[in-house]
Amino acid sequence: KAGVTQTPRYLIKTRGQQVTLSCSPISGHRSVSWYQQTPGQGLQFLFEYFSETQRNKGNFPGRFSGRQFSNSRSEMNVSTLELGDSALYLCASQTRPSLDSPLHFGNGTRLTVT
Amino acid sequence: EDKVVQSPLSLVVHEGDTVTLNCSYEVTNFRSLLWYKQEKKAPTFLFMLTSSGIEKKSGRLSSILDKKELFSILNITATQTGDSAIYLCAVYSGNTPLVFGKGTRLSVIA
Repeated sequence: KAGVTQTPRYLIKTRGQQVTLSCSPISGHRSVSWYQQTPGQGLQFLFEYFSETQRNKGNFPGRFSGRQFSNSRSEMNVSTLELGDSALYLCASQTRPSLDSPLHFGNGTRLTVT
Repeated sequence: EDKVVQSPLSLVVHEGDTVTLNCSYEVTNFRSLLWYKQEKKAPTFLFMLTSSGIEKKSGRLSSILDKKELFSILNITATQTGDSAIYLCAVYSGNTPLVFGKGTRLSVIA
């Protein structure tokens, strides 16, 4: 079974631009979560989607948005990029939202903002 | 606000050593504690602990949870260079998403 797939693997953008990251969950998984990982802050929760609905949102500004499609694939968008948005963005999936099963992570997208 | 704190932040040991990584938490409505290993990119799942005092083991790795004192430890015996990674502790509580600590960076040198 293929794991969580994130594209692209690397991105370099300049301040003020916008970016879209993509995530395909494990086949059969309908819940997708996004995390931002930086050396100083660790993994911080961005969003959780299930059945095309956002269930939870982390404490990030409105420049960060996301969506989920009917095939469970998810995208996140960051507009008006800032230097501080440079990070590893990780996507994770579960069969359904559950506090009794682990998240399965993809390899992430490394975003560098210059 | 839910909080997960890991210590130490980094650790360097020699092959064959035994290491203990610590994770303490302050959360409401604790449900479970998870350990992940992150080598290059994707954190990979190691253990999930829900009951206090029960040890989970997988080869040279083991973990135990103390729900009364609100902490968990991850032990790695006979360390190998392949154990070099960031070890992440995370907690499920209430209805909130998984909350992570900042991780412990373990370096095992030959």
